[in-house]
Amino acid sequence: DAGITQSPRHKVTETGTPVTLRCHQTENHRYMYWYRQDPGHGLRLIHYSYGVKDTDKGEVSDGYSVSRSKTEDFLLTLESATSSQTSVYFCAITSDRLQALHFGNGTRLTVT
Amino acid sequence: GENVEQHPSTLSVQEGDSAVIKCTYSDSASNYFPWYKQELGKGPQLIIDIRSNVGEKKDQRIAVTLNKTAKHFSLHITETQPEDSAVYFCAASKDSGGGADGLTFGKGTHLIIQP
Repeated sequence: DAGITQSPRHKVTETGTPVTLRCHQTENHRYMYWYRQDPGHGLRLIHYSYGVKDTDKGEVSDGYSVSRSKTEDFLLTLESATSSQTSVYFCAITSDRLQALHFGNGTRLTVT
Repeated sequence: GENVEQHPSTLSVQEGDSAVIKCTYSDSASNYFPWYKQELGKGPQLIIDIRSNVGEKKDQRIAVTLNKTAKHFSLHITETQPEDSAVYFCAASKDSGGGADGLTFGKGTHLIIQP
């Protein structure tokens, strides 16, 4: 799993509550990404980071924010969770934008 | 933006037979095409990739072919084995540098290997 840990692995929360997902890497890779995976949609990029405190939006960033205060940690926050954010969230890392992504094992989030 | 279509959505083959999964892309500027395999409960794992300056690439039982003129690329798995059962995703990069932040994924193919 290329030294990537996602936490929690499973979470159930209620609509309107804030939720933070964590991605921790031990590879010292510069680039980190958050994707969501939904049936019929494949993997879609939410946000990514190209260094400490450097982040940018992906295809489906509305309703999500991220922070990267240390190389090893990339946090994804849902400020006020909605049912449409029920999904499996994957973190990915790479040392170089021209190289392959390595994915974590995902966090299954259910918003009731 | 880039659009990647992947077919079929489900593919069932007999063990030992070959499997072919096809993807088309819309942006002629795309130049990086990886394939990922996802097993149940795990994240996708890269199995092979190809860049636009190459027409075919092989790695043991797995091969990928790219036709830039037609804007399609395919994954070929020969002599399929039970452990090949998984969901496979193709992707294309719309970034001129082939960067991961430009990756657009297909919707996936569930490959089932029948014993």
